[in-house]
Parts: sequence; structure tokens; C-alpha cells
Amino acid sequence: GAGVSQSPRYKVAKRGQDVALRCDPISGHVSLFWYQQALGQGPEFLTYFQNEAQLDKSGLPSDRFFAERPEGSVSTLKIQRTQQEDSAVYLCASRVGTGDEPQHFGDGTRLSIL
Amino acid sequence: RKEVEQDPGPFNVPEGATVAFNCTYSNSASQSFFWYRQDCRKEPKLLMSVYSSGNEDGRFTAQLNRASQYISLLIRDSKLSDSATYLCVVGATYNNNDMRFGAGTRLTVKP
Repeated sequence: GAGVSQSPRYKVAKRGQDVALRCDPISGHVSLFWYQQALGQGPEFLTYFQNEAQLDKSGLPSDRFFAERPEGSVSTLKIQRTQQEDSAVYLCASRVGTGDEPQHFGDGTRLSIL
Repeated sequence: RKEVEQDPGPFNVPEGATVAFNCTYSNSASQSFFWYRQDCRKEPKLLMSVYSSGNEDGRFTAQLNRASQYISLLIRDSKLSDSATYLCVVGATYNNNDMRFGAGTRLTVKP
């Protein structure tokens, strides 16, 4: 379909491993967001891209979290030296422009750190 | 205090009931407002944007009160399929890049 696609849907990793989560936004969408959602909570903002530029990374919880969008389309969220508290659903959303248009979400990646 | 606050519920209502959710936000500079619904283990999906003049989409009505910094969602004639978590979303800054979510209000509609 033409929606936001995330992969993998599920990821299990051992504590200390590095993981990479992928987001394919809707084609042509300028804005891309990453969120972290813990069980029973609303999504928490992590970072925002406008095309290839990462304009806001204020929500990244530590320097173990890194995101990129080198060509202004696909984005990758990388978590290094994972810890148990990183276990959550990671949601990606894209938005057609930079105004007050709504975001469209992918299915998310459910990350479990053992 | 969280930037966006919602009553977590749960709200348990019978089919056909009218139910209202409120959401308050702390940043008076917020420019955009939305209601999303999220089904269990699914992604959030846009329900409706919220405009200053208020807006209606079928059984759903959204209101914005900038002076009091709250938004509301009214669901009339509730259906079983309305059972979900309703997320209030506020664009926290002038450029709408800093989107803040409430923790969600859980609704269960029973037969």
C-alpha cells in the first residue's frame, strides 16, 4: 500500500546489542517523526526530520539513540548497547508538509530487550 | 505537570450513549490540535483535526477552547466499534514539529 511502512514488526535483542529500525514514509512526505510508546502510555516524541535535515532531536533519551534520513526518504533509528528500558514500540510517522497537516503512522516496531 | 493531560478512563458506556473526553495542554503557543484513535496493539490513526471554530464529522464533534487551553471530543450514539484509546495531540510550537501526545483515554462500548 501507500502508507508508512516500518520494519521489522518485532525485534528481540539481548541487552548490550545494537539494533536498527527502518521507516519508509509515504512517498513525497517532507516531515518524518520517530516516537517511543511504552505500554499504557501515549507516544513520546524522539526526533523530527524535514527532508534529510534532522531539525529536532530533543526527545532522544540518550546518546545511544541515533537517527538518520540521508536521502530525505527512508529513515533509520539506531539504538546502541540496548538496555531493558529501551523495550517499547517505536513508531514512525510522516507528514506531507511542515504545517498543521496530520501525521500518518506506521504499524510500529515492537522492541523487546532481554 | 505533563504538557498534554487526559483523563485515562476507562470509560465504559452502553451502545447508543453519548460520551465526552477532555484534554488540557500547557503551552499557550500551540498551533495545531488533533484527536487520534489507537486500537490495541495497532498504530494511532487520525480521527479528526480540531479547529478553533469547532468541527463535526458524523457522530464526532471536536471543540477547541484556546482561552482555557483544552480540547474536547464528543461521541454521539456510540457503537461497539468505537471501543479504542483516544489520543489528544497538540503541536507544541509554531512550526508544528514538536507534537505532544496525551497518554490516551480508553473507551469501551458495551452491548
